[in-house]
Amino acid sequence: SYVLTQSPSVSVAPGQTAKITCGGNNIGHKPVQWYQQKPGQAPVLVIYDDSGRPSGIPDRFSGSNSGNTATLTISRVDAGDEADYYCQVWDSTSDHYVFGAGAKVTVL
Amino acid sequence: EVQLVESGGREVRPGGSLRLSCEASGIKFDDYGMHWVRQSPGKGLEWVAGINWNGGRIGYADSVKGRCTISRDNAKTSLYLQMDSLRAEDTALYFCAGARGYTSPLSAWGHGTLVTVSS
Repeated sequence: SYVLTQSPSVSVAPGQTAKITCGGNNIGHKPVQWYQQKPGQAPVLVIYDDSGRPSGIPDRFSGSNSGNTATLTISRVDAGDEADYYCQVWDSTSDHYVFGAGAKVTVL
Repeated sequence: EVQLVESGGREVRPGGSLRLSCEASGIKFDDYGMHWVRQSPGKGLEWVAGINWNGGRIGYADSVKGRCTISRDNAKTSLYLQMDSLRAEDTALYFCAGARGYTSPLSAWGHGTLVTVSS
């Protein structure tokens, strides 16, 4: 089955930029979603179809996807961005949603 | 406002059964593919099962195939997950999630219902 590989954690100072990567075989050919999950809360969709932003998500969140790596970029990070972030694709071979293991963003 | 409210989670013995429910409001329910996603304590997200708008397309994760049945009642704007032959590894917070299209991004989430399988 399709596997997504995320770096486990990222630490960033307030005001700086956080980049979270999600690796998968030819992931550039698949639409990628990103979800933010804060402690004790449900996940929230922050990026869809590689780079789309749902209503209400700040433009500090952006996404890209090419080759074997998708990237979520959070600009001008603030304390409220501290959360786990999960990438996700639909694997047409298995007919399943697939999630990455998640990456914890810590704001220093 | 979109609301998905799960219920039915509780502690159950290994080998037991449970039926989870998810009631939706604030969305046109039959426009949405609906899914169950779980999260074991301290772990990541795992897709469990999904059903398209009319029940004509259904899928299960390998970890639950043969033990779980997903269903929906559009008249009651509700989603269900019947879980049988429960195992300790099924212990998790179970989220109901909606997508505008069976394979689309999961744009609506409930807050989850906790299932604990323990002897």
